[in-house]
Amino acid sequence: EAGVVQSPRYKIIEKKQPVAFWCNPISGHNTLYWYLQNLGQGPELLIRYENEEAVDDSQLPKDRFSAERLKGVDSTLKIQPAELGDSAVYLCASSSGGMIGELFFGEGSRLTVL
Amino acid sequence: AQSVSQHNHHVILSEAASLELGCNYSYGGTVNLFWYVQYPGQHLQLLLKYFSGDPLVKGIKGFEAEFIKSKFSFNLRKPSVQWSDTAEYFCAVILNYGGSQGNLIFGKGTKLSVKP
Repeated sequence: EAGVVQSPRYKIIEKKQPVAFWCNPISGHNTLYWYLQNLGQGPELLIRYENEEAVDDSQLPKDRFSAERLKGVDSTLKIQPAELGDSAVYLCASSSGGMIGELFFGEGSRLTVL
Repeated sequence: AQSVSQHNHHVILSEAASLELGCNYSYGGTVNLFWYVQYPGQHLQLLLKYFSGDPLVKGIKGFEAEFIKSKFSFNLRKPSVQWSDTAEYFCAVILNYGGSQGNLIFGKGTKLSVKP
């Protein structure tokens, strides 16, 4: 079974540039999460989808971050414009309805903003 | 705000030593508790979980954790570590609000280095 796939693995951009990250969850997993992980910190939730609906986006900085999951499968997280403080690892995870707290994570997308 | 505290940032052990990683959470209600592990170069994966029942739970690779409600703790243990246990360990909690569940809240993680 394929795991959660994220791309790109690494991205280096200059500040004020846009960037997008893509995630394909495990087949059949209705719940999709985007987490932010700063160096030396644990993952922090940005947004949670149930199918195509964003059910919790309270921690997403909506002035510059946006996300979509149009068909309830893969998802894109965008930052526009990026700031120096956005340098971090962006993690995508998915889970199925009955597996509370059991998230399957991708390898992450490491963003460096110069 | 509710939080998860992991006491040690970096733990260094020799092989065969015993391991205990501390985790405390701050929430007076019902919780579900988890330990996740991230091996070097790999993705985060679930190590073990506690929902209810026996407060001593066993996970993969010989790990176990004990939920002590009175201490708001969920410490991870292993009697004898191996070099392959070198990884970063994250404690996480889901808060239950009157039947509905919140999201996973992670601690800052503890890096474990095992010397061969």
